[in-house]
Amino acid sequence: AQSVTQLGSHVSVSEGALVLLRCNYSSSVPPYLFWYVQYPNQGLQLLLKYTSAATLVKGINGFEAEFKKSETSFHLTKPSAHMSDAAEYFCAVSDGNAGNMLTFGGGTRLMVKP
Amino acid sequence: EPEVTQTPSHQVTQMGQEVILRCVPISNHLYFYWYRQILGQKVEFLVSFYNNEISEKSEIFDDQFSVERPDGSNFTLKIRSTKLEDSAMYFCASRKDRAGEKLFFGSGTQLSVL
Repeated sequence: AQSVTQLGSHVSVSEGALVLLRCNYSSSVPPYLFWYVQYPNQGLQLLLKYTSAATLVKGINGFEAEFKKSETSFHLTKPSAHMSDAAEYFCAVSDGNAGNMLTFGGGTRLMVKP
Repeated sequence: EPEVTQTPSHQVTQMGQEVILRCVPISNHLYFYWYRQILGQKVEFLVSFYNNEISEKSEIFDDQFSVERPDGSNFTLKIRSTKLEDSAMYFCASRKDRAGEKLFFGSGTQLSVL
C-alpha cells in the first residue's frame, strides 16, 4: 500500500520568498513521485515527476523537487514566489507498474502575499 | 499540448437519477482513468481502464459505477443511481503506455446531486 502526507494544508509566503511544500511518502516498492498543481476551476497539471533517474527534478514554472529516499520525502521548492503561483499543490505516488493508479496527498494551498 | 476534454463542466441531478460523465482522452493514449475530488478532500482514484477492460478499481467504485469506451474515442463514467455523497469534481485522465509517463488530466466535471 502507498500513501502520501503533505504537511501543511495551507502555506503563505510573500512574493519573492522561497516556496517550500512538504511531501512524505510511504511505498513498499521504489516509487514514482509527482507534483501536480490545480488552479481555481481547472484540472490537475503536472509540475514535475521523479521516475528513478536524477534525484533532483526540475519542473515547469521554476519549481523543482528532490527525492530523498532516506527521508522518504519529495519536497517541492521554488526560489522566488510569484503571485501566479497561488494554487493548490498535490503530491502523488505510484508504484510504477503500467496502468496503476496515483495516490494523492491531501493537497497544500499556497497563498502568495504581495 | 494535447488535451483531455470533459463534458459537461457542471452537471446537476436529482438523487436516484443516472448520470453519464463524458471524456475524450488524448487520441494515442491507451490507459484511461477516473478520479474524483469531494470538496475539501483528497483527489481519489476510482478506476483505471486498459484494453477495453477495467484494470484496477478502488473501493469507491461499487456496483453503482461503470465505465465504457463505446466508440474508440469517448470514455464514459456512469453512475446508475446517484447519491448525495456522489457530489464531487470528477476528473478523467489518460496516459500513453509506459509506467511513469505523464498523466494528462481533464478540467473536470462538477457533479452536484440534490
